[in-house]
Amino acid sequence: QQQVKQSPQSLIVQKGGISIINCAYENTAFDYFPWYQQFPGKGPALLIAIRPDVSEKKEGRFTISFNKSAKQFSLHIMDSQPGDSATYFCAASDPDKGDKIIFGKGTRLHILP
Amino acid sequence: DGGITQSPKYLFRKEGQNVTLSCEQNLNHDAMYWYRQDPGQGLRLIYYSQIVNDFQKGDIAEGYSVSREKKESFPLTVTSAQKNPTAFYLCASSTGATSGREQFFGPGTRLTVL
Repeated sequence: QQQVKQSPQSLIVQKGGISIINCAYENTAFDYFPWYQQFPGKGPALLIAIRPDVSEKKEGRFTISFNKSAKQFSLHIMDSQPGDSATYFCAASDPDKGDKIIFGKGTRLHILP
Repeated sequence: DGGITQSPKYLFRKEGQNVTLSCEQNLNHDAMYWYRQDPGQGLRLIYYSQIVNDFQKGDIAEGYSVSREKKESFPLTVTSAQKNPTAFYLCASSTGATSGREQFFGPGTRLTVL
């Protein structure tokens, strides 16, 4: 059973546009929701993370929107740039399971110049 | 410079051979993880260790083995029992405290079985 479902699988956005990636989760015990960014041939790196007690977190051009009742969260990239082209993973963590993180399957984002 | 190193970057192996992937961290992290990444599959957890001399199976442990004799090191052996070992392998570490949670990843090792 896939505990974190991510969509779309791939996304193409014009430069300057808004990129939106969505995730849904099942386990209401999850209390930490990070997004990771991965460039080709590199390891993922933490981009931004949120806890369920807030509905939105913004860091620069990146914003997480969180809807606890719907068990959904999304990443918005404002003013998307070609350098944002990467694979993005949403994830979730259960406090009863230490630091184990469950990842979505990823979204390949391509920003057209 | 603190971080995680993985070696080698590329590894080729003949079918039927065991191979060991190296992972070292100097972040003083307690927890370490091994993931496998295949196209369209995301990151799948192979093994993890929350403390020295202890480790647990992840979701896809069959055909893999690990050891954690030192805090800094968490090598992964891909055995001949792993039916489809060609993949990108990622090692990660974290503080092990539930308040933190961020996992730091190494650059990965791409294993190809010939």
